[in-house]
Amino acid sequence: RKEVEQDPGPFNVPEGATVAFNCTYSNSASQSFFWYRQDCRKEPKLLMSVYSSGNEDGRFTAQLNRASQYISLLIRDSKLSDSATYLCVVNAGGSARQLTFGSGTQLTVLP
Amino acid sequence: ETGVTQSPTHLIKTRGQQVTLRCSSQSGHNTVSWYQQALGQGPQFIFQYYREEENGRGNFPPRFSGLQFPNYSSELNVNALELDDSALYLCASSLGGTSSYEQYFGPGTRLTVT
Repeated sequence: RKEVEQDPGPFNVPEGATVAFNCTYSNSASQSFFWYRQDCRKEPKLLMSVYSSGNEDGRFTAQLNRASQYISLLIRDSKLSDSATYLCVVNAGGSARQLTFGSGTQLTVLP
Repeated sequence: ETGVTQSPTHLIKTRGQQVTLRCSSQSGHNTVSWYQQALGQGPQFIFQYYREEENGRGNFPPRFSGLQFPNYSSELNVNALELDDSALYLCASSLGGTSSYEQYFGPGTRLTVT
C-alpha cells in the first residue's frame, strides 16, 4: 500500500465548476500536511498547508481528518489557470522532516 | 519564485557514468532535501542535509551521495548511472531547527541516461 494515495484522475471540468480532490495517508504519526501544485515539466509549488481545523485561501479550501487519515482539497469557481497536477503531501515528522508525495491528480479546466 | 536554483537544467549521460547536480538554497535556509521524480509519479525523497550533515535518507542505494557546503548550497552525486536513474531531480530548501515543515523547490535538473 502506498503511503499517500490520491484519486487517480484525470479530472476534466468546465470553467466555473467546483472540483474536489481526496487523499489518504497510511502513517498515523504524520504531523504536517500540504497540497502542492505542479505544472507540466515544472517544479512542485506549495499551494497550501492543511490544518486540523480546516483552512481556506480564496477559492481553495483544505480539510484534514486525522481520525480517518484523510485530506481533501476543494477548488471553487475553477479557472483555466488552475489546470495542473495537484500533489497531496505528508510529513511524517522526525529529524529529516522529509515529504512523502502522492502520485498526483491531473486537473484540466476546459473553456 | 522560491529563490532556489539548480544546475544544470538538462543533462544527458551514458549508463555507467557519474553525474553531479547542484542546488543553491533560498537565502536564510539551512536545509536542503533532494528528491527524484520519475515520469507520472510524485517526487521521492533521496536524502536531506542540515548544517552540512546528512540528516535522513530515503530508500536509495549508496551510489547516490551528497554534500552540503558552509553556504548551505548542496550537491547530489550519482555514480554508475542506470537507465532507471532518468528522472527530474529536485532540490528543496527549508529552514531546519524551527517548527516549520514547509519546503520550497527549485526548478529541477532533468537527467536522461542512455
